[in-house]
Amino acid sequence: DTGVSQDPRHKITKRGQNVTFRCDPISEHNRLYWYRQTLGQGPEFLTYFQNEAQLEKSRLLSDRFSAERPKGSFSTLEIQRTEQGDSAMYLCASSLISDEQFFGPGTRLTVL
Amino acid sequence: AQRVTQPEKLLSVFKGAPVELKCNYSYSGSPELFWYVQYSRQRLQLLLRHISRESIKGFTADLNKGETSFHLKKPFAQEEDSAMYYCAPYYSSTLTFGKGTMLLVSP
Repeated sequence: DTGVSQDPRHKITKRGQNVTFRCDPISEHNRLYWYRQTLGQGPEFLTYFQNEAQLEKSRLLSDRFSAERPKGSFSTLEIQRTEQGDSAMYLCASSLISDEQFFGPGTRLTVL
Repeated sequence: AQRVTQPEKLLSVFKGAPVELKCNYSYSGSPELFWYVQYSRQRLQLLLRHISRESIKGFTADLNKGETSFHLKKPFAQEEDSAMYYCAPYYSSTLTFGKGTMLLVSP
């Protein structure tokens, strides 16, 4: 499968724990995006990278959220000190510059 | 503020009926407009974009800059069209999704 992949697909954690999600984009894509989707809502943009540079991070929901793409390939999204309100589907997408975004299957986070 | 509105949460039609899923947007600039679709148990995928002016799976969407609308239309709905549809303006490297409209096509 040469599409966008995300790991894990499901994560259950206790409030206050840190979690990290991984996204592997389509190999030739230089842009990588993170979104959050809650029940009944469309995906909400969080941040994006062009190669290894994080070009927009003002939409990250709080300073507990951070993302990296150290070598311009895979990316990680970390949430520190999780809260119940962080429960959601976290989506990753990749694209060539300004082109169609291809989405991964998502990581569903449940915070107990 | 930049905003996209999909007024219908659910649209239920019979097979063969025409379909129109509404999308209105409010932007300070000139965004590019997309429709994304999510079929049951599948990932979100692009359906069409306004600059390509293509008809995909029988769907078309016309950008009306005066009304700031980008409604999605299909003359004869099929059962396999049942899915969640999202309108998404693209501006400043950011896609902003509406809340989505669930289309249910009954036999």
